[in-house]
Amino acid sequence: DTAVSQTPKYLVTQMGNDKSIKCEQNLGHDTMYWYKQDSKKFLKIMFSYNNKELIINETVPNRFSPKSPDKAHLNLHINSLELGDSAVYFCASSETLVYGYTFGSGTRLTVV
Amino acid sequence: DQQVKQNSPSLSVQEGRISILNCDYTNSMFDYFLWYKKYPAEGPTFLISISSIKDKNEDGRFTVFLNKSAKHLSLHIVPSQPGDSAVYFCAASENDYKLSFGAGTTVTVRA
Repeated sequence: DTAVSQTPKYLVTQMGNDKSIKCEQNLGHDTMYWYKQDSKKFLKIMFSYNNKELIINETVPNRFSPKSPDKAHLNLHINSLELGDSAVYFCASSETLVYGYTFGSGTRLTVV
Repeated sequence: DQQVKQNSPSLSVQEGRISILNCDYTNSMFDYFLWYKKYPAEGPTFLISISSIKDKNEDGRFTVFLNKSAKHLSLHIVPSQPGDSAVYFCAASENDYKLSFGAGTTVTVRA
């Protein structure tokens, strides 16, 4: 299936831990993103990558470090997790805005 | 600072009738607008888009209208179907690398 897949779907962890979320797209898109949906349901951009290069870093704390080993993958590593990091994280990819972004199904991160 | 606003958090409509969802924006640099639909526990799904050089775009049951002078767009769904019950997000962009989303409108289609 052509899609944006992200793993894991659910992640429960303790404060202070380090965790990673993986994202892969097989759509051949050049651009990938990480969005965060907070408790108020707002979807906010975190990072944009185009062909493995960082384009946008939307004032995200340094504890969040994206890594793009190739244009099909954009992983998100989070250090020293805090309670406020609890949210749903969505990976997405796109070729052109005419066809919109294709989103993954989300990773619900709960920090306890 | 929310640059894209959906002021109606919810909308209830009878099956077969028209659903009209509204969206306002403040950033005059936005040049592309999109609507997404989201079911629980799934990612948003792209519905329809419109460039700022147009005032209307239609795709099947979905039509998006853009009024640039009023910084307003709307999504019409005709006729509404039970499967349309979801959260609808308006989004806008001034470049290819970032979308600004509204808070969403939950649509419930009643049988």
